[in-house]
Amino acid sequence: AQSVAQPEDQVNVAEGNPLTVKCTYSVSGNPYLFWYVQYPNRGLQFLLKYITGDNLVKGSYGFEAEFNKSQTSFHLKKPSALVSDSALYFCAVRGSYIPTFGRGTSLIVHP
Amino acid sequence: NAGVTQTPKFQVLKTGQSMTLQCAQDMNHNSMYWYRQDPGMGLRLIYYSASEGTTDKGEVPNGYNVSRLNKREFSLRLESAAPSQTSVYFCASSELGFGTEAFFGQGTRLTVV
Repeated sequence: AQSVAQPEDQVNVAEGNPLTVKCTYSVSGNPYLFWYVQYPNRGLQFLLKYITGDNLVKGSYGFEAEFNKSQTSFHLKKPSALVSDSALYFCAVRGSYIPTFGRGTSLIVHP
Repeated sequence: NAGVTQTPKFQVLKTGQSMTLQCAQDMNHNSMYWYRQDPGMGLRLIYYSASEGTTDKGEVPNGYNVSRLNKREFSLRLESAAPSQTSVYFCASSELGFGTEAFFGQGTRLTVV
């Protein structure tokens, strides 16, 4: 079985400050990890993924994520938050045909 | 490219009515999925089709049926709608490989009264 946990329902950050959205996972075998973003009334959009290799993965819109095998974590980060980053963020793991998603974290960036 | 297209975008049903949600993708993907999104619950898988000709139950299949009509199309049917099926429904597609990302449609907002 595979699972994803996003421990924070909401993250608040001031514009210009760094942001972190947390994700931990459980999967047998190699972890394939993903981050998606959802803007209001839209479908999910792919941000970045980890398959193998460098533990720091860079993605769209200046986001990056750090894979930590020992802590089974895949936290999403951005050095300087923008108000336009405010959205719902989902972490996902895929160790089979089925991607499994976390419950989502609402990111609110305050001006 | 259209990507993943879902119809309709909005629907209101009366309890007991039936309807089919349509999904089509133009990326030649092998795998397709139906999820429902409810507040505080995240995305829950209803059914999936790993490849053309196959369908399997996900986490919450009760009250739903699916048809993989061809490689492009994957429909979701509610035979007798219930208020508990009020939700936002998303169709997604991806390649077979585990390291491939999913592409999502815009969603169908369904209300059952």
